[in-house]
Parts: sequence; structure tokens; C-alpha cells
Amino acid sequence: AQSVAQPEDQVNVAEGNPLTVKCTYSVSGNPYLFWYVQYPNRGLQFLLKYITGDNLVKGSYGFEAEFNKSQTSFHLKKPSALVSDSALYFCAVRPIRLRGGYQKVTFGIGTKLQVIP
Amino acid sequence: NAGVTQTPKFQVLKTGQSMTLQCAQDMNHEYMSWYRQDPGMGLRLIHYSVGAGITDQGEVPNGYNVSRSTTEDFPLRLLSAAPSQTSVYFCASRRGGGGRTGELFFGEGSRLTVL
Repeated sequence: AQSVAQPEDQVNVAEGNPLTVKCTYSVSGNPYLFWYVQYPNRGLQFLLKYITGDNLVKGSYGFEAEFNKSQTSFHLKKPSALVSDSALYFCAVRPIRLRGGYQKVTFGIGTKLQVIP
Repeated sequence: NAGVTQTPKFQVLKTGQSMTLQCAQDMNHEYMSWYRQDPGMGLRLIHYSVGAGITDQGEVPNGYNVSRSTTEDFPLRLLSAAPSQTSVYFCASRRGGGGRTGELFFGEGSRLTVL
């Protein structure tokens, strides 16, 4: 069974400092990996994804994520945090489809990012 | 472009009542799904559909029914509401097939309270 672990319930970072939100995963075969952001009382919004290729993936709002196959990790990063980045962040995994069928997406429990002015 | 639209945004039910959460998407996505979001548990898949007329169960299907008569619509029915179904419900859609896409598009959520 596939799973996603987000080991930190909350990450606090000062505005202007770099931020990292951690994610590790477990899946059979090669993964599709995703990060989503949820602002209060809103739905989830797609930030970025890893399919294949370059291990460093760039996404929306200046976020990036680094895929590390040996450590089965997909940490979300941003060089300089903004107060407006404060939100709930979800990591998600889906196995790459080899032949036919629906592949389910599994989400982590979410990490609350608090950027302090 | 509306994306994924859910109604209602808020609903209060009494135990034993039934109701339907509506979901519609205008992106011609093949795949649609329903999740519930509970504190400390992330998002859990209730039911999903890979096309009109085809549905299947997710992780937590008990107490819920779905149908998919058109590509656009994917309603979620609560048959006899229980307090354990108090949650925020999200409908999501994505393109099907084996392409290099696969990200989900979410609605704004429906907050359900069962008393």
C-alpha cells in the first residue's frame, strides 16, 4: 500500500528566510509526486509535480521541490518566505500507471506553514 | 472557466437525514473523486469515477453513494447521516489516460455538520 508521511504538523519560519516542508513516501514502482496548498476555507490548489527527469521541480509562487529517490523524499522549498505563504501544505503520491486502470492518489496529513513577519 | 463547482458550501443535518452534495466540472475531465478532510487525517478517498456510468469505492465508502450519469456531474449522497460524517467534503477531477499530467483540480469544499 502506498503512503505519505509529513513529519511536521507545523513549520514556523521568519519572513525572508528559506523554508522547507518535509515529505517522504512509499509506493510500488515509480511515483508521481505532488504538492498542494490549502488556504483557510478554500479547496486545495496544485503547486507542483514530479513525473520524471530533473530532480528539482519548480512550481507556482516561487516554490520548488527536490525529488530524492534513494531517500524516498520530496521536500518542498522556497528560498525566501512570504507572510502570504502561510497555509496548509499537502504532499501526495500516485503510482505511475503501467497499464490501464485508475491509480489512486494518497495524501499526507498536511503541514501548517506559519510565516512570521 | 468555473473549474470544479460544489454545492452547498455549508449544511447542517440531523442524524438519520439524507442529502446530496453536488459536484460539477466543466473541463471535460474523465476522472472525478470525492474526498473528506478531517483534522489530523489528511484527505481520504470516499468514491471515484473513471467515466460516465463507472464508479468505484475508495478508502471510506460506507454511508455514501455516488453515480455518474454524465461526464460533468458526480453527486455524493449521504443515505442516513451520522455524526461521524461531520467533515469537509471535497470533489476533485483530473484528466484521464496515461499522459504526463495527473494533478487534481479541487472544488471549494462543502462543510457538513451532523447533529
